Amino acid sequence: SQQGEEDPQALSIQEGENATMNCSYKTSINNLQWYRQNSGRGLVHLILIRSNEREKHSGRLRVTLDTSKKSSSLLITASRAADTASYFCAYTLAGNNRKLIWGLGTSLAVNP
Amino acid sequence: SAVISQKPSRDICQRGTSLTIQCQVDSQVTMMFWYRQQPGQSLTLIATANQGSEATYESGFVIDKFPISRPNLTFSTLTVSNMSPEDSSIYLCSVEAPARGAFYEQYFGPGTRLTVT
Repeated sequence: SQQGEEDPQALSIQEGENATMNCSYKTSINNLQWYRQNSGRGLVHLILIRSNEREKHSGRLRVTLDTSKKSSSLLITASRAADTASYFCAYTLAGNNRKLIWGLGTSLAVNP
Repeated sequence: SAVISQKPSRDICQRGTSLTIQCQVDSQVTMMFWYRQQPGQSLTLIATANQGSEATYESGFVIDKFPISRPNLTFSTLTVSNMSPEDSSIYLCSVEAPARGAFYEQYFGPGTRLTVT
């Protein structure tokens, strides 16, 4: 299966702590994206990292990509209760930058 | 960014019936996607809909079961036909928005929660 794998499946932390989620894939990719899904705002795009990039930042989010290990991580620093959501990685395969292949997701709970 | 609306937001349907889900975008877009997300699961792509051409279906999904229309650049419909309880799911439409360069992110509608009894 081309589906990405994410770990952990579920993560529970206290407000102020950092949260790290990992995504692994099995083949060459064009780009990798992270999305957040919660009941309030639906599914929202967070950040896109290209296959030739190693790290990107957006506010409290830091994404890394290691193409040699076929893995990516999403770090949320100084977490807030509002960060409680499911986080999905999704990527496009090399040679096809339109169709997204989705990971299984990590459910993050940030406790006040 | 694009603003996407879906109708209905939820529905409860009897098995054997059909439901048509509408997806409206506030701007013209080339590619629209239809996904299914079963409770607690990830997203599965049903099909890609380009205006003026037949939808392209993913493995495991067929046009007879999930007919799609794309009459213009701002609108699409997905019909779930001859429903069974296994079709109970959230159905999401999304559109592609060009990010920097040729890399595309997707914007999603709020979803349609379908329960088949």
